[in-house]
Amino acid sequence: ELKVEQNPLFLSMQEGKNYTIYCNYSTTSDRLYWYRQDPGKSLESLFVLLSNGAVKQEGRLMASLDTKARLSTLHITAAVHDLSATYFCAVGKSYNTDKLIFGTGTRLQVFP
Amino acid sequence: EAQVTQNPRYLITVTGKKLTVTCSQNMNHEYMSWYRQDPGLGLRQIYYSMNVEVTDKGDVPEGYKVSRKEKRNFPLILESPSPNQTSLYFCASSLYDSRQTAFFGQGTRLTVV
Repeated sequence: ELKVEQNPLFLSMQEGKNYTIYCNYSTTSDRLYWYRQDPGKSLESLFVLLSNGAVKQEGRLMASLDTKARLSTLHITAAVHDLSATYFCAVGKSYNTDKLIFGTGTRLQVFP
Repeated sequence: EAQVTQNPRYLITVTGKKLTVTCSQNMNHEYMSWYRQDPGLGLRQIYYSMNVEVTDKGDVPEGYKVSRKEKRNFPLILESPSPNQTSLYFCASSLYDSRQTAFFGQGTRLTVV
């Protein structure tokens, strides 16, 4: 059964610092997603990673995928307050379905 | 404006009273999906649809039904709601399948008493 684990669950970081959120999954998958959710709001799709070694960047966020290690990282560069949110990763359950399994989320707070 | 619209946004209902949460998208997307979000359990997929008349179960389909009679609409039906279906529900759509960027609705907060 596919399990998706995110680390850390909570992250409090100072503006200007760098940090990485990790997403591990337990069985082979061909796709991984990152989402952002602001408090009380809906989800926003950030990245879709579809192959081993895929790297995508948007502003201060960069996501990568290592399918052999079953690991994705979301790297935050020079954090700013506007990045405070909860970040979720999700993994495709298998190659022949569109089922998704979500991680539990990482709540990020960026303070001055 | 490209959007996914859910209705209602908030709903309080009683156990056993059938209800429908509507989801409509104006982007001509083929793929649509329903999720529920619960504290401590995160997001879980309920059902998804690859196209008109094509639906499949997600991770937690029990107690829910869906239909996809038109491309733009993907209603979530609770035939006999129970308190354990109290949750925050999100609908999402993407162009062809889950491999494209997903667009989410605003969410529906459902309370079953």
